[in-house]
Amino acid sequence: AQRVTQPEKLLSVFKGAPVELKCNYSYSGSPELFWYVQYSRQRLQLLLRHISRESIKGFTADLNKGETSFHLKKPFAQEEDSAMYYCALSQGNTGKLIFGQGTTLQVKP
Amino acid sequence: DVKVTQSSRYLVKRTGEKVFLECVQDMDHENMFWYRQDPGLGLRLIYFSYDVKMKEKGDIPEGYSVSREKKERFSLILESASTNQTSMYLCASSSRIRDTQETQYFGPGTRLLVL
Repeated sequence: AQRVTQPEKLLSVFKGAPVELKCNYSYSGSPELFWYVQYSRQRLQLLLRHISRESIKGFTADLNKGETSFHLKKPFAQEEDSAMYYCALSQGNTGKLIFGQGTTLQVKP
Repeated sequence: DVKVTQSSRYLVKRTGEKVFLECVQDMDHENMFWYRQDPGLGLRLIYFSYDVKMKEKGDIPEGYSVSREKKERFSLILESASTNQTSMYLCASSSRIRDTQETQYFGPGTRLLVL
């Protein structure tokens, strides 16, 4: 079964500390994975996609097929990174996404 | 600027009422989606439409129906609202162009309370 798991509901770090938001997936084919973010009082939006291998707002995510993971990382957290983060898996060529349960990142001053 | 709008930000309804949630996008997108967003459960797909008058059930369609009469508009209908349908409802749209279709654009959400 296709599934996305984000094991942490809440991750709390201090400003300047490294951040790693965990995401594990289950998918039989070649996975395409994404991170979406929802800042307070804003709409959900795409943060990054693994296929483009880009860094957005200092965040990176590497697809590890051996560990079936797509963890989101940032070396130095900022207060403005506080938000809800969702990992998502593409369901082939359907346009549909499977979302994880979400992780709230809280960056304390 | 990309825009997905939802008809209401907050709604309060009574058990048994018929509820309509409207979503409009101005990007000429083929795909449109309705999700529920609940704490600890993430986003769960209710219904999906890939073209006018076409619809497909998502993971939790029970108690819901949808309508897509025009490309830009996708309506979610709760035939007889129940308290367990109290939730945040998110609409999204995306293009069917292969390399971009997983970029979904979301509306601001409708927070529905069923009493």
